[in-house]
Amino acid sequence: DIQMTQSPSTLSASVGDRVTITCRASQTISSWLAWYQQKPGKAPNLLIYKTSNLETGVPSRFSGSGSGTEFTLTISSLQPDDFATYYCQQYNGYFPYSFGQGTKLE
Amino acid sequence: QVQLQESGPGLVKPSETLSLTCAVSGASIRSGYWSWIRQPPGKGLEWLGYIYYSGNTNYNPSLTSRVTLSEDTSKNQFSLNLNSVTAADTAVYYCARARVDGVVDYWGQGILVTVSS
Repeated sequence: DIQMTQSPSTLSASVGDRVTITCRASQTISSWLAWYQQKPGKAPNLLIYKTSNLETGVPSRFSGSGSGTEFTLTISSLQPDDFATYYCQQYNGYFPYSFGQGTKLE
Repeated sequence: QVQLQESGPGLVKPSETLSLTCAVSGASIRSGYWSWIRQPPGKGLEWLGYIYYSGNTNYNPSLTSRVTLSEDTSKNQFSLNLNSVTAADTAVYYCARARVDGVVDYWGQGILVTVSS
């Protein structure tokens, strides 16, 4: 199985900051990487798929990059609604598709 | 708009079977990858398996011996059975739809299932 490791586990930031979250895969996953945002008591919400493609309706301050085994999610100017937990997910080839352990943005 | 709604008991005794159902509206379960994903309290996400193309299934190898997914196309719903549960199976269980590539684009609200005597 492919293991996904996110860093940091917790990130402290302020409104207006530019923040970056990193996700590393235990083996190459090409560009098959998605990012989700989860708020307390809610289901995750898809932000980005195939590394850098913004899901419909997601603000343009979110962006993703990377390939192979290292990926990043960047929020260009943090807004109050962005404080949440973020998960990466790989979907390369064979199931099970796995998630990172999460990064809490506070 | 695709909507999913989980239902089932919130409390299951150890060694018994956890059974949940997901009712889908706004899409037919005859297309798509209909999934169960769980999240233990305060922890990350684990994809249990999915059902697709009229009854085909794919399970997480870590749970293959205990998990069964099924569907009822007449009711447009699908179900999860997880047997021999322990406290480690306590989690919020989400039903969800995945695209063919494996990206989850719709989620239910989740249902907390506690395993306890």
